[in-house]
Amino acid sequence: ETGVTQSPTHLIKTRGQQVTLRCSSQSGHNTVSWYQQALGQGPQFIFQYYREEENGRGNFPPRFSGLQFPNYSSELNVNALELDDSALYLCASSLTGGAGEKLFFGSGTQLSVL
Amino acid sequence: GESVGLHLPTLSVQEGDNSIINCAYSNSASDYFIWYKQESGKGPQFIIDIRSNMDKRQGQRVTVLLNKTVKHLSLQIAATQPGDSAVYFCAETSTDSWGKLQFGAGTQVVVTP
Repeated sequence: ETGVTQSPTHLIKTRGQQVTLRCSSQSGHNTVSWYQQALGQGPQFIFQYYREEENGRGNFPPRFSGLQFPNYSSELNVNALELDDSALYLCASSLTGGAGEKLFFGSGTQLSVL
Repeated sequence: GESVGLHLPTLSVQEGDNSIINCAYSNSASDYFIWYKQESGKGPQFIIDIRSNMDKRQGQRVTVLLNKTVKHLSLQIAATQPGDSAVYFCAETSTDSWGKLQFGAGTQVVVTP
């Protein structure tokens, strides 16, 4: 077990709706990253938070947003859901987020947009 | 754009044999490479990593080789076991990318008895 937990495990939404996914990082880890994994593909970096501030973003539109809280929990919010947002969403935590640090992944939230 | 990719989408290996999974990368700025294993219903699990100043690193039953000349990365699994059946991803990052990993598409390894 990695000590990173995500909720819910599965979620079904319809186009145009909004969704909030949650992650609880390992205790002491100041950095959380979110990834989107489409079926049959590798994870794609969405963004990273370090000490509650966004610290790096991939090629995702502004309707993907996040929050990180002092208690090592974080959220991924997606507005105006599109069919292509259907994917496994993974969060990963690390101590400071520096290159070379191990990322500890959760098991993900499977989001289906109908 | 620059990306990490894999040569073989599926690899079938007999139990006890050695497995070799290959990966090509194109971002010359990457200086840190990682192999992950992902089992069904789980997130990626760290296997082994290597920095660009090395060309070989060994772990328990696994070896990663890095050839910077041809921008090639491989993962060797010795004495493959049924528990090794999973999707394997290579990923790259750099000191300047502040922990952002760029993953390849993955290779499905199937271990047959």
